[in-house]
Amino acid sequence: NAGVTQTPKFRVLKTGQSMTLLCAQDMNHEYMYWYRQDPGMGLRLIHYSVGEGTTAKGEVPDGYNVSRLKKQNFLLGLESAAPSQTSVYFCASSYSHNEQFFGPGTRLTVL
Amino acid sequence: GNSVTQMEGPVTLSEEAFLTINCTYTATGYPSLFWYVQYPGEGLQLLLKATKADDKGSNKGFEATYRKETTSFHLEKGSVQVSDSAVYFCALSDLSKAAGNKLTFGGGTRVLVKP
Repeated sequence: NAGVTQTPKFRVLKTGQSMTLLCAQDMNHEYMYWYRQDPGMGLRLIHYSVGEGTTAKGEVPDGYNVSRLKKQNFLLGLESAAPSQTSVYFCASSYSHNEQFFGPGTRLTVL
Repeated sequence: GNSVTQMEGPVTLSEEAFLTINCTYTATGYPSLFWYVQYPGEGLQLLLKATKADDKGSNKGFEATYRKETTSFHLEKGSVQVSDSAVYFCALSDLSKAAGNKLTFGGGTRVLVKP
């Protein structure tokens, strides 16, 4: 039981490049989330999903897209990376009203 | 909307000292409240939670009581260890399935325990 996994762990992009972050969970959770963590700002929700095939915007969705084609996977895409998207990205999953389980994070630097 | 305010750090303590991290919240209805801990280089882990007023969550020597009258959920530990050095986040859940049971986080409090 791996819990929540994220790939890659680290990535450096140039401005304008695109990339996809992959989140996978093996706990059969309905809900999945993408957050970004910036110094002094805690975690801010980017997008979330309440089930396979559904996605919704969070607090800071601009510049990101997501897809949930399979229940266990939640992808976060950056179509044209900007330096303001330099951050640590965390994926999480949960079942109903229970706690959210977090992945180890992806550290992204945009030059 | 919902919001969580917690004391800014860093908080520097000596081993065996008493730790308090204040957390207050603003929310409609009756949210669940959480404390998460983030050790260096890792993701967040649930430390404890409380789901209704006057509930006390506890784990690893940490405690927090859900105080509806003061809209607070302060974290306490009587005797900290070097291994408690981490960033602590207070959070609330709106318990709305339609809204995905989203968590609202405070800004985090970095705690450094010195031997």
